[in-house]
Amino acid sequence: GQSLEQPSEVTAVEGAIVQINCTYQTSGFYGLSWYQQHDGGAPTFLSYNALDGLEETGRFSSFLSRSDSYGYLLLQELQMKDSASYFCAESHSGYALNFGKGTSLLVTP
Amino acid sequence: DVKVTQSSRYLVKRTGEKVFLECVQDMDHENMFWYRQDPGLGLRLIYFSYDVKMKEKGDIPEGYSVSREKKERFSLILESASTNQTSMYLCASSLGRGIYNEQFFGPGTRLTVL
Repeated sequence: GQSLEQPSEVTAVEGAIVQINCTYQTSGFYGLSWYQQHDGGAPTFLSYNALDGLEETGRFSSFLSRSDSYGYLLLQELQMKDSASYFCAESHSGYALNFGKGTSLLVTP
Repeated sequence: DVKVTQSSRYLVKRTGEKVFLECVQDMDHENMFWYRQDPGLGLRLIYFSYDVKMKEKGDIPEGYSVSREKKERFSLILESASTNQTSMYLCASSLGRGIYNEQFFGPGTRLTVL
């Protein structure tokens, strides 16, 4: 079931940096993924962390700490188009993902 | 580009009707998934399939069944639709089992059961 915890809403200013945290359950954990979903759109993959540390992809970075059962998504140089919902998802079986309830990010001018 | 298509964007059905939601992917992916998405609840897994004719229950399989007769097609069936099944239904596919299991989503079907 949904055992991941992430904030429901975050607001940030254009050009700023925002961090979206996610805590997960540890049993049988493979890795942590992040997905973005704009209103009316389909979720799209952003990043995946299987090992501890930071993964960087352009303005987006994702971090994982297995010892703390914790990860975060870092968005830099925020743009208006980054306003969307962001979901963390844990992988246990290697097949299916268990998604969190999502964080709605609002970027303001 | 991976493409996942779903048979309808919007569907309106009546309580008790049998409903079929179809999903097709064109990238020879092993795994296919059905989720429902409701406000404040995120994506919840209904069923998934890791091979033709194979299926596994997800977190909320009650009231649903699935069929995977061909690798590219995964159908979700509501045997007798009820109003609490009004939701957005999302289909996804991924390449295979492994640590890197990026899922590709279809555009979704918004189902309303009256």
